[in-house]
Amino acid sequence: DGGITQSPKYLFRKEGQNVTLSCEQNLNHDAMYWYRQDPGQGLRLIYYSQIVNDFQKGDIAEGYSVSREKKESFPLTVTSAQKNPTAFYLCASSIDLGQFAGNEQFFGPGTRLTVL
Amino acid sequence: AQSVTQLDSHVSVSEGTPVLLRCNYSSSYSPSLFWYVQHPNKGLQLLLKYTSAATLVKGINGFEAEFKKSETSFHLTKPSAHMSDAAEYFCVVSATGRRALTFGSGTRLQVQP
Repeated sequence: DGGITQSPKYLFRKEGQNVTLSCEQNLNHDAMYWYRQDPGQGLRLIYYSQIVNDFQKGDIAEGYSVSREKKESFPLTVTSAQKNPTAFYLCASSIDLGQFAGNEQFFGPGTRLTVL
Repeated sequence: AQSVTQLDSHVSVSEGTPVLLRCNYSSSYSPSLFWYVQHPNKGLQLLLKYTSAATLVKGINGFEAEFKKSETSFHLTKPSAHMSDAAEYFCVVSATGRRALTFGSGTRLQVQP
């Protein structure tokens, strides 16, 4: 059963702590993405990766970091430098990036992060 | 540059009546356009997409959308709303060479019994 998994579903963090959100896909997609969603807003791009060992900053990368050591995995770390991290985080993947704009993105179920 | 404007933040309809969710876009390139649906605390699911083929696009669950280049619009419609259609809907634009999708701010659809 192909798809994207994210864990954990809910995550609580104390101020000053780093936390890592997991994203795994078995769709054999090259491109992966992280988005942040705040209430009443659309999705904003944090980071994206076109291939293994390569990633690029999105529109709101400050306070976040990523790695792409394996094709199927793209973890996101929310660092203590992120001033307002409470949000819903969505991971997505697509066949490739930009070569054909019609390639839709497939989304995971999301992780809700709350800072206490 | 590309952008998406969803003209209504909330739409409320009665069950069995038509649904219209409005979307206007701007893009310097030939765009691809998508509608995604999100149920509470869930990920996004693709409803339908336009990629320069037929301008009337049919999607899942009885939804369809029409690409109108002259009006730069891509409105989402459904002839008869069902209670299970209650969700958040996002209009999204992409263009060849662009690195990722651009999302609208979303329209929350309420379906009254």
